[in-house]
This record gives sequence, C-alpha cells and structure tokens, in this order.
Amino acid sequence: GQQLNQSPQSMFIQEGEDVSMNCTSSSIFNTWLWYKQDPGEGPVLLIALYKAGELTSNGRLTAQFGITRKDSFLNISASIPSDVGIYFCAGRVRSAGTASKLTFGTGTRLQVTL
Amino acid sequence: DGGITQSPKYLFRKEGQNVTLSCEQNLNHDAMYWYRQDPGQGLRLIYYSQIVNDFQKGDIAEGYSVSREKKESFPLTVTSAQKNPTAFYLCASSILPGQGTTSYEQYFGPGTRLTVT
Repeated sequence: GQQLNQSPQSMFIQEGEDVSMNCTSSSIFNTWLWYKQDPGEGPVLLIALYKAGELTSNGRLTAQFGITRKDSFLNISASIPSDVGIYFCAGRVRSAGTASKLTFGTGTRLQVTL
Repeated sequence: DGGITQSPKYLFRKEGQNVTLSCEQNLNHDAMYWYRQDPGQGLRLIYYSQIVNDFQKGDIAEGYSVSREKKESFPLTVTSAQKNPTAFYLCASSILPGQGTTSYEQYFGPGTRLTVT
C-alpha cells in the first residue's frame, strides 16, 4: 500500500522556536489530516483540510492544503515541551470512490529541548 | 463520555496461539478500522468495516480476521498464521462519508501492544 513521505523524519528544537514539517504524495488527495501521537497512545486529530489552498489554524498549529493537491504543511509556532511527539499526516486519494480509507505518512518525530 | 476503548492495553501470548483484541466505540460511527504500527513506521491498514456484517481487507490483512456483528464493536483476531504479530494495534472509527458529509476524519482508541514470544 502507498505511504506518504513526511519530512523531516525527526527534529530537535529549542522551546520557543517555530516548527515546520511537510507531507508529499505522488497521488492527488482530496483530504489531508494531521495527527499527533504521544508515546504508547493513539493518534489525536489536530487539523482537517478539505480544499486545495485551504489554510486552517488550531491554536499554535497551522496547516495548509497544497495547491497541487499532492502536499500539505504543518507549522507549530512558539513550541513548548508538550509538543513532543510524533506528527502524522494522512490523506484520502481523490479516486478512492466511496471508500473511507486513509493513507498515513511515516511520521515526523519532534523533540523540544528547554 | 463518547470515545473508543481498546482492551487490554498490553497483551502477551505464546507463538502459535490466536488472540483477539477488543475495540468498542460509543460515537455512533458506522465505519471502523484496524491499523498496525511498527517502530519507526506509519500506520498500516489491516481491515475496515463501513457497515455491520460487512468488512474489507486493507493493505496487510494476511494472518488477521475480523467480525462486525454490532455497530459498536469490531474485534480483531491475530491468528497463528501471522508471521510477525508483535506490534502496536490501533482501532479507529469515523462517520461514513456520503451521509451528508465529506468528512473522512478518523478517531483513534488508545491502542493495544501485543507481544508474542
């Protein structure tokens, strides 16, 4: 099955810094979702995007649906220690018909130092 | 509170034994999913169900089986045919797209870590 490519795979940042990560696909997507997973827990939905070019915020998090429909971006402003975790993108291929399946990215591991 | 529960949190089995993982949701969602997560990898879809008494194979269904007898429940059985069953298993649910919504948002349970020795 297809998996999305996320970049970077991991990053170490200092508290207060801004963070950027992205997700790319070879297929056109009509939905992009961003999740955060803490160690040993299930992923939690952060942001959902449904239109090309859409920019959506959730507190310090901002995500964008790429114009080409093949990528998406997540930014975290003024990072804090509790931002530590793995961030996953997920998307639905436009040609998937009525199926509700998602394809998940490989994850970006974020570590924040004081 | 509405949500998804998975039990147990940790499960240990001997090689050659079948084991069933529980997943229950009270969100009134029609669709339910099972994913497998291995260290350093994303989530891979095992099985999904969009309606009671119906389910489809995902990308890695070999060695697994499911049932969907009730809307709220979607148990996963890891059979002895699964070559490498040790992993973190995640259950999710969602509204069925097309029922007046274009939402594909899936909501996850806390996961079950299965160790087979």
